[in-house]
Amino acid sequence: AQKITQTQPGMFVQEKEAVTLDCTYDTSDPSYGLFWYKQPSSGEMIFLIYQGSYDQQNATEGRYSLNFQKARKSANLVISASQLGDSAMYFCAMRGRGGYQKVTFGTGTKLQVIP
Amino acid sequence: EAGVTQFPSHSVIEKGQTVTLRCDPISGHDNLYWYRRVMGKEIKFLLHFVKESKQDESGMPNNRFLAERTGGTYSTLKVQPAELEDSGVYFCASSQEERGSYNEQFFGPGTRLTVL
Repeated sequence: AQKITQTQPGMFVQEKEAVTLDCTYDTSDPSYGLFWYKQPSSGEMIFLIYQGSYDQQNATEGRYSLNFQKARKSANLVISASQLGDSAMYFCAMRGRGGYQKVTFGTGTKLQVIP
Repeated sequence: EAGVTQFPSHSVIEKGQTVTLRCDPISGHDNLYWYRRVMGKEIKFLLHFVKESKQDESGMPNNRFLAERTGGTYSTLKVQPAELEDSGVYFCASSQEERGSYNEQFFGPGTRLTVL
């Protein structure tokens, strides 16, 4: 079984500052993928970034980077230079490898960017 | 290209009534997933179609939920009869992937279901 834990129900960050959203996971799969999704108030789920468990380098996509620490089973999302449009719910998720694998989500973190 | 669409965006029904949610995946995507988020909790997997076949329905909560994907295109999720605990946001996602790959699942905007 897979489990994602997001311990921060809500976060505030000042505009232009960086913020880290925490995510820890648990799985018995030797190979897996970790994802972050953004859900703005409009409701759609927007894919942000992906990290494979065997990837040597941490994933980066523009202002988003994933701080992957495999031994600690953590996959924190770092958003640099926060913008007002970053205010949203953020979900950490994972899926295993092999066959068809459903995505397991955390409970989400609500980020609010303050001007 | 159009993304995943869901209809309706909101539905308010009374306990005991029936509701049918619809999902249109991205054209050409064989894989279609249903997820549900109950208020304040994590998004939970319900089931997965590969074309018209149910690949995994381990997340379906009970037999009041019926999902179909006739012809392997759009899918419907029927709740009959609806109960109060069925309230939440129902997401649909689709992907075009091979077994074992990590291709992205594209999510729809969700249907917010409220059962009174």
